[in-house]
Amino acid sequence: SQQGEEDPQALSIQEGENATMNCSYKTSINNLQWYRQNSGRGLVHLILIRSNEREKHSGRLRVTLDTSKKSSSLLITASRAADTASYFCATAGRRALTFGSGTRLQVQP
Amino acid sequence: GAVVSQHPSRVICKSGTSVKIECRSLDFQATTMFWYRQFPKQSLMLMATSNEGSKATYEQGVEKDKFLINHASLTLSTLTVTSAHPEDSSFYICSALTSGGPYEQYFGPGTRLTVT
Repeated sequence: SQQGEEDPQALSIQEGENATMNCSYKTSINNLQWYRQNSGRGLVHLILIRSNEREKHSGRLRVTLDTSKKSSSLLITASRAADTASYFCATAGRRALTFGSGTRLQVQP
Repeated sequence: GAVVSQHPSRVICKSGTSVKIECRSLDFQATTMFWYRQFPKQSLMLMATSNEGSKATYEQGVEKDKFLINHASLTLSTLTVTSAHPEDSSFYICSALTSGGPYEQYFGPGTRLTVT
């Protein structure tokens, strides 16, 4: 299965700063989802954006989707040390999800 | 939200032995479950799609005789890693797809397998 690319691969910021992660994918999608994964743990679903949506907000999270460019971005505003984790985008084709390569975010207190 | 459990959460086994991992949907029925594998500092890769009452569908490069999948009920899928080797050491994550639309997918907490 094709896998999306995320950039940056790693991001280190100070607490209070914003973090932006980008995801590109290759195939047509029904929706795109963002997940967080703390080291050695399971996935936490953050937000889902449908293919007919361009932007979605949830708390400190803002997700955009550009289907013409096959890309999405996740913005975390006013980051906290607890936001330190890996973030993955995942695209839903038929049923199974295809995950991006992930961005490792480190928020320095 | 719906809950998916995995058991065990961690397992250490010796090379050559077989290990069974269970994935259960606790409060919903799942005709379809997925098994993913994640190596350290890498992304999740789909291994196979588990269908209740029928054979699993494996992704290219995944040996079906090595990773046996059984989906005998609408709430349970099992993955058996046969004759495990150190290179099978990984984080195995299952997800369950709700039966009937809208289809929503819920992930289990993962199983850390270490083969010594």
